[in-house]
Amino acid sequence: AQSVTQLGSHVSVSEGALVLLRCNYSSSVPPYLFWYVQYPNQGLQLLLKYTSAATLVKGINGFEAEFKKSETSFHLTKPSAHMSDAAEYFCAVSGRSGGYQKVTFGIGTKLQVIP
Amino acid sequence: ETGVTQSPTHLIKTRGQQVTLRCSSQSGHNTVSWYQQALGQGPQFIFQYYREEENGRGNFPPRFSGLQFPNYSSELNVNALELDDSALYLCASSDVSGGLWNEQFFGPGTRLTVL
Repeated sequence: AQSVTQLGSHVSVSEGALVLLRCNYSSSVPPYLFWYVQYPNQGLQLLLKYTSAATLVKGINGFEAEFKKSETSFHLTKPSAHMSDAAEYFCAVSGRSGGYQKVTFGIGTKLQVIP
Repeated sequence: ETGVTQSPTHLIKTRGQQVTLRCSSQSGHNTVSWYQQALGQGPQFIFQYYREEENGRGNFPPRFSGLQFPNYSSELNVNALELDDSALYLCASSDVSGGLWNEQFFGPGTRLTVL
């Protein structure tokens, strides 16, 4: 069974500081991993995805994530936080379950950016 | 390219009533998935439709049902509404023929409140 664990339901950083959002996954097969962002009262928007082509994945808005198989981690980082980064972030893993694509989401991490 | 759209945006129902939510998939996508996102939680998988047939289901009772139409639009029906059904319902479309690494594209969601 696949799963993701997001450590820290709330993270606060100062504007300009490093953003680090943690995600650990569990999957019996090589995983496909995603980070999504959700702004208030909106749907989810893809930030980036890991598909085994490269362990360091660059996404939109200056975010990137590194796949570390030995640590079963896929942490999301951004060198310098901006006020517009305040949102909720979800890590997700995709795999095949029976005949369908199953995507399992973490509980989310709410990022607060302090001016 | 038209994105995923959902209707209505908001809905208020009372216990015991029935509700139908609608989703229009992104052009070219053959798969639609529905998720329930309770307040403060990550999206929980309800079911998935591929070429008009349900091919995967999460841990939701049979009173949650759906349809996918030849144009790949979809409906989520919930009968005998309960207070715990209050949530944001998200529709996501994807093209799984390309592989499990293809991301899902989300609509803005329908906020359902059950009184």
